[in-house]
Amino acid sequence: QQQVKQSPQSLIVQKGGISIINCAYENTAFDYFPWYQQFPGKGPALLIAIRPDVSEKKEGRFTISFNKSAKQFSLHIMDSQPGDSATYFCAASTFTNAGKSTFGDGTTLTVKP
Amino acid sequence: DVKVTQSSRYLVKRTGEKVFLECVQDMDHENMFWYRQDPGLGLRLIYFSYDVKMKEKGDIPEGYSVSREKKERFSLILESASTNQTSMYLCASRGQGGGYNSPLHFGNGTRLTVT
Repeated sequence: QQQVKQSPQSLIVQKGGISIINCAYENTAFDYFPWYQQFPGKGPALLIAIRPDVSEKKEGRFTISFNKSAKQFSLHIMDSQPGDSATYFCAASTFTNAGKSTFGDGTTLTVKP
Repeated sequence: DVKVTQSSRYLVKRTGEKVFLECVQDMDHENMFWYRQDPGLGLRLIYFSYDVKMKEKGDIPEGYSVSREKKERFSLILESASTNQTSMYLCASRGQGGGYNSPLHFGNGTRLTVT
């Protein structure tokens, strides 16, 4: 049973374009929704996160949109740059059980110059 | 900045060997995790620990065990390595977050190959 579904699996965007990655979750007890960015040879690192009491969070070129009723959230990367080329994971967790996170399968983003 | 250090970057072991993967964090975090990363499968939780000597099974614990004798150190043990355990292993830690959830801090991973 996959509790967090992520799409697309891969994404190619031109420099300056908008990258959009979507996630859907099933467990309504989730209360924290982070996005992680992973470069080759490195571990994932937190990019941006949101809690379900807000519908949108923006940090620079990165925005999370959150739809609680639809149980969906998405990452938008504005003005995508070649340096954004990486693998992106959405995740969801609850405060219980040490806050263990359930991850989506990941999206490989390639931004072409 | 939180630092999570995994002792080996690459490891090659033979089928049937006992394998130890070590992880150390320097931020006094209560919670530590072992994930396995495979292409197209995301990150899957093997085991986690919320305190010294405490451990809980994750989603795919079969064939693995863990040890947490000190707060800063969390070890993953493959009792008898098999080829289907060839993978990237990621260790992570997380603080209590003052009552709220908080992000995971990952190490750079250990790529294990079992031949």
